[in-house]
Amino acid sequence: AIQLTQSPSSLSASVGDRVTITCRASQGISTALAWYQQKPGKTPNLLIYEASSLESGVPSRFSGSGSGTDFTLTISSLLPEDFATYYCQQFSTPPYTFGQGTKLGIK
Amino acid sequence: EVQLVESGGGVVRPGGSLRLSCAASGFTFDDHVMSWVRQPPGKGLEWVSGISWSGGRTTYVDSVKGRFTISRDSAKNSLYLEMNSLSAEDTALYYCAKGDYSTYYFDHWGRGTLVAVS
Repeated sequence: AIQLTQSPSSLSASVGDRVTITCRASQGISTALAWYQQKPGKTPNLLIYEASSLESGVPSRFSGSGSGTDFTLTISSLLPEDFATYYCQQFSTPPYTFGQGTKLGIK
Repeated sequence: EVQLVESGGGVVRPGGSLRLSCAASGFTFDDHVMSWVRQPPGKGLEWVSGISWSGGRTTYVDSVKGRFTISRDSAKNSLYLEMNSLSAEDTALYYCAKGDYSTYYFDHWGRGTLVAVS
């Protein structure tokens, strides 16, 4: 199975900060990667698909990049509602694995 | 509006069985792959199983192969997960998730149904 490793596992940041989360795949997956946001007690919400395509309705401060094995999710300027846990997921080859998550907290 | 509503969760003894259901509405069910994704309490997401739009192709994570069976009923716009030989490691919130046509990333999720094996 393809393993996804996110870094960092947690980070603290302030409103207005630029934040980058990394996802590394154990083998090449082209651009078959998605990013999700999950707030406590809520369902996951799709942010990015195909590594860099912004899902409809998602604010433009979220962006994704990468291909092959290395991917990033960037939030250009944090708002209070962005403090949540973020997951990457590969949909190249089953099982369609998720990263372990990155918890973004308030500094 | 897309809606996915899971049901069938509950408390079950180790070795027991459960059948989860997901009622789908607001989209053309037959046009989309579907999956089950689970989340143990306080932990991350784990993809469990997926099924093609026709139901002809199914896939599973290794830890549930031979124990879980995914299926779908286009007449009822419903997705199912038959779970057998349950163990404590299967305790989780089980989400039904809609794929983007034939692609297994998930643009809509249900609220989940809790399975507790104890």
